[in-house]
Amino acid sequence: GENVEQHPSTLSVQEGDSAVIKCTYSDSASNYFPWYKQELGKRPQLIIDIRSNVGEKKDQRIAVTLNKTAKHFSLHITETQPEDSAVYFCAASSNNDMRFGAGTRLTVKP
Amino acid sequence: SAVISQKPSRDICQRGTSLTIQCQVDSQVTMMFWYRQQPGQSLTLIATANQGSEATYESGFVIDKFPISRPNLTFSTLTVSNMSPEDSSIYLCSVPREFANTGELFFGEGSRLTVL
Repeated sequence: GENVEQHPSTLSVQEGDSAVIKCTYSDSASNYFPWYKQELGKRPQLIIDIRSNVGEKKDQRIAVTLNKTAKHFSLHITETQPEDSAVYFCAASSNNDMRFGAGTRLTVKP
Repeated sequence: SAVISQKPSRDICQRGTSLTIQCQVDSQVTMMFWYRQQPGQSLTLIATANQGSEATYESGFVIDKFPISRPNLTFSTLTVSNMSPEDSSIYLCSVPREFANTGELFFGEGSRLTVL
């Protein structure tokens, strides 16, 4: 089955700096790669996703890149703000079978 | 996006008891998923609940411990049986975005169980 690894487990940045979270996956059949943000005590919320036929996608301060050959994908957050502080999960999915990475706790210091 | 309601939102349970969590979706969905999130951990898929057939369990999860019902296309229940402190977790119901085949999952608010 699919195995998703995520690094780092914790990340602390200064407000305004960039943050990068990286994930690798094992199943070449995976074709959908979402990123979820989970604030304390709340449900995971989709923030951006990418499909296997696309190499990069951007939405304002958030971007995701995918290297299908190397089976890794990354989340980039630019101009970080304190409200970006949360746990971020990557995931890899094939036919609605979604597996999550271990999560990254991002802290943005004002 | 689908609106997913879960009950209870939280509960404190005694060891050895069982608790049933309900998940109601505002639209008909073919598949519903139950995830567990242990404290400070990631989301682990427990099982897929399919209407009209038995749930499909992931490795490490069994029907006797986590029986699931799926009586119709908008509702499912997950029971955590004979609970122990190790079952203290958030249990999340999720559904895919229907008819778009995008793969996106929506999550309920979760049910936070504490077992004493």
